[in-house]
Amino acid sequence: DTAVSQTPKYLVTQMGNDKSIKCEQNLGHDTMYWYKQDSKKFLKIMFSYNNKELIINETVPNRFSPKSPDKAHLNLHINSLELGDSAVYFCASSPLTSGGGRARDTQYFGPGTRLTVL
Amino acid sequence: SQQGEEDPQALSIQEGENATMNCSYKTSINNLQWYRQNSGRGLVHLILIRSNEREKHSGRLRVTLDTSKKSSSLLITASRAADTASYFCATDSTAGGTSYGKLTFGQGTILTVHP
Repeated sequence: DTAVSQTPKYLVTQMGNDKSIKCEQNLGHDTMYWYKQDSKKFLKIMFSYNNKELIINETVPNRFSPKSPDKAHLNLHINSLELGDSAVYFCASSPLTSGGGRARDTQYFGPGTRLTVL
Repeated sequence: SQQGEEDPQALSIQEGENATMNCSYKTSINNLQWYRQNSGRGLVHLILIRSNEREKHSGRLRVTLDTSKKSSSLLITASRAADTASYFCATDSTAGGTSYGKLTFGQGTILTVHP
């Protein structure tokens, strides 16, 4: 039943490690996003893919690399983790390229992955 | 300061009272959306208002948009303890052409409704 799911929910790791967060949506949406929410709850977009094509790439360190094997999945791989990467990472999806109407612009968020870098 | 700033940062009210949150933004927008985030959870979409609309209702929610002032307000009427959450406005900006759904969020208003 879950619309947008992320794994893992919690991730605790050491500085310098490489880790991945997975995201899947079963809503049939064309577009998926990754957001980072910092300790002050500020939510900022990182990437967006539309039908497996990268369409939004904000100023994010090269250590972050999104991968979309198909339009239902958007994974986030982070190399050489740093203390400042500690945050909650949210995946979202939206229909975006479907017909007009309210649902087209609405984004559906996953439950988040809390990443703690020690 | 950033696009999509909410005011107040925190709001504490009693059940049954109305809660009003404001949002200001800087650039021209396609639409403005309000989301709710319960503690430790993801964001849930509440309501979307387009740039050519001035007011929208959804259940106990009422959103207004004033594009001349670049501001929006979210009113929750007859609040309940279950409304306790953080509320974020997010703008889908027209700046730079096609937005591809790039939302810019504010830092949110923390609403606490006491039973």
